Amino acid sequence: GDSVTQMEGPVTLSEEAFLTINCTYTATGYPSLFWYVQYPGEGLQLLLKATKADDKGSNKGFEATYRKETTSFHLEKGSVQVSDSAVYFCALTAGGGADGLTFGKGTHLIIQP
Amino acid sequence: EPEVTQTPSHQVTQMGQEVILRCVPISNHLYFYWYRQILGQKVEFLVSFYNNEISEKSEIFDDQFSVERPDGSNFTLKIRSTKLEDSAMYFCASSYSSGGANEQFFGPGTRLTVL
Repeated sequence: GDSVTQMEGPVTLSEEAFLTINCTYTATGYPSLFWYVQYPGEGLQLLLKATKADDKGSNKGFEATYRKETTSFHLEKGSVQVSDSAVYFCALTAGGGADGLTFGKGTHLIIQP
Repeated sequence: EPEVTQTPSHQVTQMGQEVILRCVPISNHLYFYWYRQILGQKVEFLVSFYNNEISEKSEIFDDQFSVERPDGSNFTLKIRSTKLEDSAMYFCASSYSSGGANEQFFGPGTRLTVL
């Protein structure tokens, strides 16, 4: 079945550092890919998405490019802030109308001032 | 800004008891979902619901589980006879449309502890 693998955390960085959180997937068909973020005490919020190969999703300085050849959707940000500290989830929905999200385990990001 | 709400935030129950987890989706949304996350594991899809019936369910969603939209605002998940392994965070979500690119809006979750 479909699956998502993302790097284990916690990931600890200093403010203004460059961030990469790796995400790879296995899916049949043509999935849509998502990054969700969860701040403490809150629900999951959509951060960005990409629906076809080579699409780049971006939001709040974060970017991820849908790479079909490497089945990857790595999350990047050029300069992180303390307020970016959260848990980040990579996810996909399979093509063909199925709409349940398949999630990775989540990566806890800690940004130190 | 509209948001999905869930009650209670934490539910403690004895094994074998029935529990009902409640969600109020965003008011103009048509598609509703339940997910769960066992501590330290992945967020897992349970079920999706549209037009007063289940549209998709996972292998986890067995006969112990049921969902209902009892009125125009609430969406509930019932576990008939809880087991220890049902202890998890349960997330409700809703979306306006379906399909692979739709955005699902999540609630803050209900932490269920089965003793």
